[in-house]
Amino acid sequence: RKEVEQDPGPFNVPEGATVAFNCTYSNSASQSFFWYRQDCRKEPKLLMSVYSSGNEDGRFTAQLNRASQYISLLIRDSKLSDSATYLCVVNKGPQFYFGTGTSLTVIP
Amino acid sequence: ETGVTQTPRHLVMGMTNKKSLKCEQHLGHNAMYWYKQSAKKPLELMFVYNFKEQTENNSVPSRFSPECPNSSHLFLHLHTLQPEDSALYLCASSQASGTANLLNYGYTFGSGTRLTVV
Repeated sequence: RKEVEQDPGPFNVPEGATVAFNCTYSNSASQSFFWYRQDCRKEPKLLMSVYSSGNEDGRFTAQLNRASQYISLLIRDSKLSDSATYLCVVNKGPQFYFGTGTSLTVIP
Repeated sequence: ETGVTQTPRHLVMGMTNKKSLKCEQHLGHNAMYWYKQSAKKPLELMFVYNFKEQTENNSVPSRFSPECPNSSHLFLHLHTLQPEDSALYLCASSQASGTANLLNYGYTFGSGTRLTVV
């Protein structure tokens, strides 16, 4: 079983839509959780960490469910500039485990 | 400026060549990593260094040889590669695991070296 699993998409949504991505992880001892964003042919960049109580940053909301071992990312009021691949990342000790990414395209 | 600099950005090499990828971080981090990103696959961890010591070798073929002379520099020496080794090679750094900053800042990646083996 993969360490981290994501729906690869693609998700094609109109501008202004709300879109949600889910990600599951296999190791219950995982310690830290992140969402990264990767633009085409660029390196991944940290979008937000995911805290146990859930956290929000502008239009982005991240949730963690340790009991079910999944994390989610909600994007409200999608912008064209949100088009990218969103990587779910799980950390345990010195290791980071990446999902394959979910591709999002926001359509005018 | 990401704080993690990789050179070269692009590299084309023959299967008999020897080349090296370089990574330098200016963030005061203590852990550095090499990742491989192939099309339609998740990032694959190759090597981890904590405080200059290699703590992880993820079953990487010996034609890839890492070197970490200090906490700020990381190299990946390449020799007799195969065409299937063509990929984007990403260097990353972080605070050593277990520190409070890890949750806030995660990894910082370099821009990567796009390697083509011909």
